[in-house]
Amino acid sequence: QSMLTQPPSASGTPGQRVTISCSGSSSNIGSNPVYWYQQVPGTAPKLLIYSNNRRPSGVPDRFSGSRSGASASLAISGLQSEDEADYYCVAWDDSQNGHVALGGGTKVTVL
Amino acid sequence: QVPLQESGPRLVKPSETLSLTCTVSVTGGPIDYFYWSWLRQSPGKGLEWIGNIFHSGSTYYNPSLKSRVTLAIDTSEKQFSLRVRSVTAADTAVYYCARGRSCDSKTCYDSHAWFGPWGRGTLVTVSS
Repeated sequence: QSMLTQPPSASGTPGQRVTISCSGSSSNIGSNPVYWYQQVPGTAPKLLIYSNNRRPSGVPDRFSGSRSGASASLAISGLQSEDEADYYCVAWDDSQNGHVALGGGTKVTVL
Repeated sequence: QVPLQESGPRLVKPSETLSLTCTVSVTGGPIDYFYWSWLRQSPGKGLEWIGNIFHSGSTYYNPSLKSRVTLAIDTSEKQFSLRVRSVTAADTAVYYCARGRSCDSKTCYDSHAWFGPWGRGTLVTVSS
C-alpha cells in the first residue's frame, strides 16, 4: 500500500491558521483527487474535504483544501479548540492494479 | 438510526479467521448504489485501508493484505462482510466499515478514496 507523507504533528493557538501538508507521487495525488478526514480521539473518522477542495454539508468553511502537482494541503483558519484531532489525507493510487493510499496522520493540538 | 453498524466476535485466536459483518440501514443508502469499504486502526496507530466491494462483486484490496482478506456482499440482507485469515496479534485493531463512492448504470462518481458515512467501529483483539 502506498503511503502519503504528512507531518506527525501541528499546533496553533485559538484563532490562528494551521496548515497540514500531504506529499504523494504521480500515481496518486498527481493524478487523482485528494480527500481529508478528521478523527476526534475515541470516535470514527469523518469526511472533511473531498475532491481536493470541496466540503460536505455541515463542515465549517474554516476548513479548506488545495492540491498542486503531487502535493496537497489542508488549512484550518480561525483554529478552535474542537479542531484538536487527527487529520488524514487519502487518495486513490493507480499503481498495483489500483489501491487506496493514506497518509500517516497529523495530530493537531490547540495550545 | 445508525447508517452502518459493525458486528462480530471481539476476540479471535491466533491463526484463526476474523469475521465481521456490516449492516447497512436505510439511512446508509441503497446497498446496490455504492461501493462499501473496510478500514482498520491498530491501537495508537493510523488508519489502514483493507478493501472496497460493489454489489456486482467488483473488489479492490490492499496489496499488503490481499492474500489473507476476502470481502463479500449480501444485497438481500443489506450486509457486507470481511474475513481475515491466519490472524496474528498485528491484526488487533478497531475495524470500521464505511460507505464508498456511488455508481449508477452509466458511471461512478467521486473516487475510491471517498469514505463516508462510517460505522462506529469495533475493536477486535487477537489473543489466545
